[in-house]
Amino acid sequence: AQSVTQLDSQVPVFEEAPVELRCNYSSSVSVYLFWYVQYPNQGLQLLLKYLSGSTLVKGINGFEAEFNKSQTSFHLRKPSVHISDTAEYFCAVNAGNMLTFGGGTRLMVKP
Amino acid sequence: DTGVSQDPRHKITKRGQNVTFRCDPISEHNRLYWYRQTLGQGPEFLTYFQNEAQLEKSRLLSDRFSAERPKGSFSTLEIQRTEQGDSAMYLCASSPFNGDRLQETQYFGPGTRLLVL
Repeated sequence: AQSVTQLDSQVPVFEEAPVELRCNYSSSVSVYLFWYVQYPNQGLQLLLKYLSGSTLVKGINGFEAEFNKSQTSFHLRKPSVHISDTAEYFCAVNAGNMLTFGGGTRLMVKP
Repeated sequence: DTGVSQDPRHKITKRGQNVTFRCDPISEHNRLYWYRQTLGQGPEFLTYFQNEAQLEKSRLLSDRFSAERPKGSFSTLEIQRTEQGDSAMYLCASSPFNGDRLQETQYFGPGTRLLVL
């Protein structure tokens, strides 16, 4: 079985500041990792994914994440956030035929 | 380019009524998934299809829930005798699975928000 923990339920940050959203996972098998973003009253949009290869993954909207196998982490980062980045962010693992999601982190970008 | 679509987007019903949701996946995606998301939580897996075959069901999928994908294209999720605890966002996703897990990425629809009064 696998599980995902997003340590911060809310992250407030000022516009143009850097941000890191934390994600830790546990699994007994190899995993494939994803970050999704959900804007209010919408479905989930894929930000980026780690399947294999380079541990630093770049995604859409200037986001990137680093896979750290020894720390079982897949933290999401952005060097400078915009107001439009305000949304809910979900980390997910795929170790079988379905995705297991974390509880989400609400990123609140303030002007 | 059309993504995953879901209908209706919102549904309000009274406890005890039956409801049915529809999901149209991205064309030629052979896998289709249903997830449930309650307020403030991440989505939870319910079931998935590969073509028309339902291959896995979560223990969350009680006997009041039934899903079908009769022709391997669109899917329906029916909830019978709805309860207030069924209030949630029901998300559908599809993927072009080709037998290689490394290549599978799920693409989500906008969801159907259900409120049971």
